[in-house]
Amino acid sequence: GDSVTQMEGPVTLSEEAFLTINCTYTATGYPSLFWYVQYPGEGLQLLLKATKADDKGSNKGFEATYRKETTSFHLEKGSVQVSDSAVYFCALSSDSNYQLIWGAGTKLIIKP
Amino acid sequence: DTAVSQTPKYLVTQMGNDKSIKCEQNLGHDTMYWYKQDSKKFLKIMFSYNNKELIINETVPNRFSPKSPDKAHLNLHINSLELGDSAVYFCASSQLTQGGETQYFGPGTRLLVL
Repeated sequence: GDSVTQMEGPVTLSEEAFLTINCTYTATGYPSLFWYVQYPGEGLQLLLKATKADDKGSNKGFEATYRKETTSFHLEKGSVQVSDSAVYFCALSSDSNYQLIWGAGTKLIIKP
Repeated sequence: DTAVSQTPKYLVTQMGNDKSIKCEQNLGHDTMYWYKQDSKKFLKIMFSYNNKELIINETVPNRFSPKSPDKAHLNLHINSLELGDSAVYFCASSQLTQGGETQYFGPGTRLLVL
């Protein structure tokens, strides 16, 4: 079945560092790919998404590119801030199974 | 205006009790979901309703019973609460049941069973 694997956390960085959170997936067909973010004490919210190969999703300085050849959707940000501290979830959905298939989440801690 | 709201935000109760969590969305979406998030932040889909009809019913104890009185509301009733039910429960909604749809989440209900 479909699955999502993302790097284990916590990931601890200093402010202004470069961020990469790896996400790879297994799916049949052409899934849509998502990054959701959960700030402390809050619900999840969509950060960005891409619905076809080679699409790049971007929002709030974060980017991720849908790479079908490597089945990956890695999240990147050039310069992180303390306010980016949160849990980040990679997920996929397909037209045959519109449910979101979730990764385990990666906790990001940014130190000033 | 809150898009997806849940009540209560916190729920502390004794083992064996029955409790309900309510969810409402004002986005005009057709599909609503319940998720359970455990202490390690792992998310598990529990139920999904489309236009008041149950379409996903994952392996969940039958002590959990969802009810959708209309497409804007999806409530979760839990009978005979157990310690292992302690978790954060999230309600979510989406416009359609197809791939690529964004799900919108409520703020969560933090349930602690003592």
